[in-house]
Amino acid sequence: KAGVTQTPRYLIKTRGQQVTLSCSPISGHRSVSWYQQTPGQGLQFLFEYFSETQRNKGNFPGRFSGRQFSNSRSEMNVSTLELGDSALYLCASSALAGGTYNEQFFGPGTRLTVL
Amino acid sequence: SQQGEEDPQALSIQEGENATMNCSYKTSINNLQWYRQNSGRGLVHLILIRSNEREKHSGRLRVTLDTSKKSSSLLITASRAADTASYFCATEKTSYDKVIFGPGTSLSVIP
Repeated sequence: KAGVTQTPRYLIKTRGQQVTLSCSPISGHRSVSWYQQTPGQGLQFLFEYFSETQRNKGNFPGRFSGRQFSNSRSEMNVSTLELGDSALYLCASSALAGGTYNEQFFGPGTRLTVL
Repeated sequence: SQQGEEDPQALSIQEGENATMNCSYKTSINNLQWYRQNSGRGLVHLILIRSNEREKHSGRLRVTLDTSKKSSSLLITASRAADTASYFCATEKTSYDKVIFGPGTSLSVIP
């Protein structure tokens, strides 16, 4: 079974630009979560999508948005990039059973650098 | 906001020794998970323990959960150099809730 894939793996942008990151979950997984990882703040939860609906949201400004498609693939978008948005963005998928979270499978991440 | 806090922040041991990491959290939880992250394999799930469980084993890993103290521990026995990584605890307060990660423990296993 193929793992979680994220594209692109590396991205360099300048302040003020916008960026779209893509995540393809493991086949059959319907939940996709996004995290931002930085040395200073660690792993911060951005949002989670399930069946094309945002189910949970972290404490990030509205510049961070996401969506999920009918095939469970997900995208996240960051508009008006700031230097502080430089981070590793991780996507995780999980298969829900019994109404409780199972383990999350993480992709390799997209390393975003904002200059 | 971080629900879990790992302790210690960094740990250095010799190969063959046991490594123990602790995680404390603030509110009641539905489950607690431990993950490992290294440069080679990214972030990988190790073990999940539910709030009604007290101990779980997986290979050389042993996880305990004390809900009265709001704490969990991860024990790695007979450590190997390949265990060098950052270890994170992650909590889910209720079903369908977001999963929140702690800041992690950096483990170095010296050959």
